[in-house]
Amino acid sequence: QSALTQPPSASGSPGQSVTISCTGTNSDVGGYNYVSWYQQHPGKAPKLMVYEVSKRPSGVPDRFSGSKSGNTASLTVSGLQAEDEADYYCSSYAGSNIVLFGGGTKLTVL
Amino acid sequence: QLQLQESGPGLVKPSETLSLTCTVSGGSISSSNYFWGWIRQPPGKGLEWIGSIYHSGSTYYNPSLKSRVTISVDTSKNQFSLKLSTVTAADTAVFYCARSGLRDGYNRGPLDYWGRGTLVTVSS
Repeated sequence: QSALTQPPSASGSPGQSVTISCTGTNSDVGGYNYVSWYQQHPGKAPKLMVYEVSKRPSGVPDRFSGSKSGNTASLTVSGLQAEDEADYYCSSYAGSNIVLFGGGTKLTVL
Repeated sequence: QLQLQESGPGLVKPSETLSLTCTVSGGSISSSNYFWGWIRQPPGKGLEWIGSIYHSGSTYYNPSLKSRVTISVDTSKNQFSLKLSTVTAADTAVFYCARSGLRDGYNRGPLDYWGRGTLVTVSS
């Protein structure tokens, strides 16, 4: 299995919306509704933001939303805030109890 | 509140075996609803899933690392461990332990609780 494909960077101004993509194959993203998104600030552990494509854990603002179409999943951050600046990683179930991560996207709030 | 804490040597020599332990507190590692996993992150790079274990001892590994990885569980101590053999400088990374949810009997759930991570450097 190969890593999922994410753009290396994304950016937006405060208050704007930004969408980060995560592209896989029929064997992972396209084959299962088990895509998660993680936020990681420098020097910190990743934090779960979205799971099962579009569900949010308790405490995650509804500014974060997830979706999927075919082999590509997306994370949209609406109403960008300064604290949203971080690295974002997608992950997907890939069958046989295996997990794949994306390469990560650095989100910059301009 | 569930907490996970990684522990182990911060420096390992090339060709030797890296060994880490994750201690779980605030919950039982024997819960039937979860897997327990290891993830690593080389400095300045992305996350890589290493493998996961169920409390029964069933293990699942990243195919690219499978030949060098062993994950084990000690339910009496509420701990699980990672061994990575024949390490090289390319194995230098922050290693995280985390919990993932069981879904329909498979390791499909999100990684919802993470340890703070521990840096392991491979160098002579």
